[in-house]
Amino acid sequence: NAGVTQTPKFQVLKTGQSMTLQCAQDMNHEYMSWYRQDPGMGLRLIHYSVGAGITDQGEVPNGYNVSRSTTEDFPLRLLSAAPSQTSVYFCASSYGDRDGELFFGEGSRLTVL
Amino acid sequence: AQSVTQLGSHVSVSEGALVLLRCNYSSSVPPYLFWYVQYPNQGLQLLLKYTSAATLVKGINGFEAEFKKSETSFHLTKPSAHMSDAAEYFCAVILQGGSEKLVFGKGTKLTVNP
Repeated sequence: NAGVTQTPKFQVLKTGQSMTLQCAQDMNHEYMSWYRQDPGMGLRLIHYSVGAGITDQGEVPNGYNVSRSTTEDFPLRLLSAAPSQTSVYFCASSYGDRDGELFFGEGSRLTVL
Repeated sequence: AQSVTQLGSHVSVSEGALVLLRCNYSSSVPPYLFWYVQYPNQGLQLLLKYTSAATLVKGINGFEAEFKKSETSFHLTKPSAHMSDAAEYFCAVILQGGSEKLVFGKGTKLTVNP
């Protein structure tokens, strides 16, 4: 089973460029989330979705956009990349219940020069 | 406000020694608590979870954690460390809503020395 698939795994951008990180899951999960991981900061929630057509902001949403047109896909868009967005990004999905397990992708490492 | 605090960003133990990774939460209501593990260059995977049933929770790979309401703690332990346990460990909590609002601690990197 594929689980949660993220692409690309690595990306280098110049300041001001835009790009989209793709995330797809094949487990029919309603809930999907994007986190960024920075050294010493743990994981911080960027945006999340509780179902197709529904998205909301997490802890650190500035500079990122999301949409959820299908259950399977939850892309993360960087509108105008900044060096502060250099990070490892993780997509996760779950059934959404309170004791539910989050299933994570393998991460996308983004460097903004 | 930080909802979970992990004491010690780095912990080093010898192979065969006890592993103790500390996690304290801040909540006035019983939370849902989790431990996740991240092996190098991988995503996170669930180690164990507390959901207000038994206070002593057993997880994968011989790990367990005990929920102590009086101490607002959920420390992770393993009696005997193995080299393969070297990884970063994250405590996480849901205070309200569902798993889309999981809040993670800053992580503890475990090193196991031969």
